[in-house]
Amino acid sequence: GAVVSQHPSRVICKSGTSVKIECRSLDFQATTMFWYRQFPKQSLMLMATSNEGSKATYEQGVEKDKFLINHASLTLSTLTVTSAHPEDSSFYICSARGGFGNQPQHFGDGTRLSIL
Amino acid sequence: AQTVTQSQPEMSVQEAETVTLSCTYDTSESDYYLFWYKQPPSRQMILVIRQEAYKQQNATENRFSVNFQKAAKSFSLKISDSQLGDAAMYFCAYVGGFGNEKLTFGTGTRLTIIP
Repeated sequence: GAVVSQHPSRVICKSGTSVKIECRSLDFQATTMFWYRQFPKQSLMLMATSNEGSKATYEQGVEKDKFLINHASLTLSTLTVTSAHPEDSSFYICSARGGFGNQPQHFGDGTRLSIL
Repeated sequence: AQTVTQSQPEMSVQEAETVTLSCTYDTSESDYYLFWYKQPPSRQMILVIRQEAYKQQNATENRFSVNFQKAAKSFSLKISDSQLGDAAMYFCAYVGGFGNEKLTFGTGTRLTIIP
């Protein structure tokens, strides 16, 4: 149980393109979803927290107009990197959690984004 | 603010031996939860084990167990009978218990298994 699917796993695109990443909880209802960014050999950096049906809460320093997050249902959240540039190249991971804060987060497989 | 410290950037262990990864944390909360996540080369984050702060008994999951010392704010992970598939980055993580949603991660320990 507690499977989170993240797609695509790898994206390579030109600078200026917008890229959408999907995160789905397959066998549970995710009241909260999280989006992280991970640089090489570093820990996960939380970008934003989203609750179903409400606006995402962004961490300090994360541009909300650059990284659009939508959590329209209890099983789906999307992250759109708008007008991506090479500095946006990174590994993005989503996680989903049902219930309250003490429940563990279950992670997707991540998306490696490369902007040329 | 809560912080999580993993003081061992890298560790190695002989296959079939036991290894302990250390983690300390700082918090003023009395109710919280601690986790160990594993990130193999595939980069998927996998939950290894979870500990509730209010429980005195250390959590165990097959070959994985923790040594939770609440007073010392220490939460180490012991891996027994290490296997090649245990090679990964291991992250210790903390979340508060009163509606606090965010996981605070440590910087990770890279574990190498020597055949």
